Amino acid sequence: AQSVTQPDIHITVSEGASLELRCNYSYGATPYLFWYVQSPGQGLQLLLKYFSGDTLVQGIKGFEAEFKRSQSSFNLRKPSVHWSDAAEYFCAVGAGSGGSNYKLTFGKGTLLTVNP
Amino acid sequence: DGGITQSPKYLFRKEGQNVTLSCEQNLNHDAMYWYRQDPGQGLRLIYYSQIVNDFQKGDIAEGYSVSREKKESFPLTVTSAQKNPTAFYLCASSGSGFNEKLFFGSGTQLSVL
Repeated sequence: AQSVTQPDIHITVSEGASLELRCNYSYGATPYLFWYVQSPGQGLQLLLKYFSGDTLVQGIKGFEAEFKRSQSSFNLRKPSVHWSDAAEYFCAVGAGSGGSNYKLTFGKGTLLTVNP
Repeated sequence: DGGITQSPKYLFRKEGQNVTLSCEQNLNHDAMYWYRQDPGQGLRLIYYSQIVNDFQKGDIAEGYSVSREKKESFPLTVTSAQKNPTAFYLCASSGSGFNEKLFFGSGTQLSVL
């Protein structure tokens, strides 16, 4: 069965600093990978996704993520964090080719705090 | 604007009571989902529906029921059999293709009185 691990429960960074949120997955074949963001008391919004091709994926709001098969990782990065980036971030893995959304597995999330 | 509307935003349940959470979408999506979110636990799938008049159990369906009589609507009932219903409930929808983007509602916080 597929699984997702987000090792960091809570991360605090200063505004303007760089950010990296870690995500490790377990899946037997090539996974479909997603990062979602959730503001307090709100639903989730897709930041970016990886299906195939270029392993560096660009998303919305200046985020990017890199798929590293050898490390089973899909870490999310941003060069300069803004106060509005404070939220909870979820990594998710879907079944490979032909995967349906109901087979999506979410990590437990990383809460990001941004200090002024 | 297209989107998913969940209501109410906050809901309180008394012992032995069934409560129904509403989810409506105007995105013309075939598939709809209900997730439960507990602090520090991520999202867990309760039920999903890929087409009208059909739905399937997810990972934690016990104590919940759903219906899908219209494409736009996918209400979730939390029954008295659900002994720990306090959680944040999220409804989502997507197209019917593989690994499509999920669109989420803004959630309902259910608490027990």
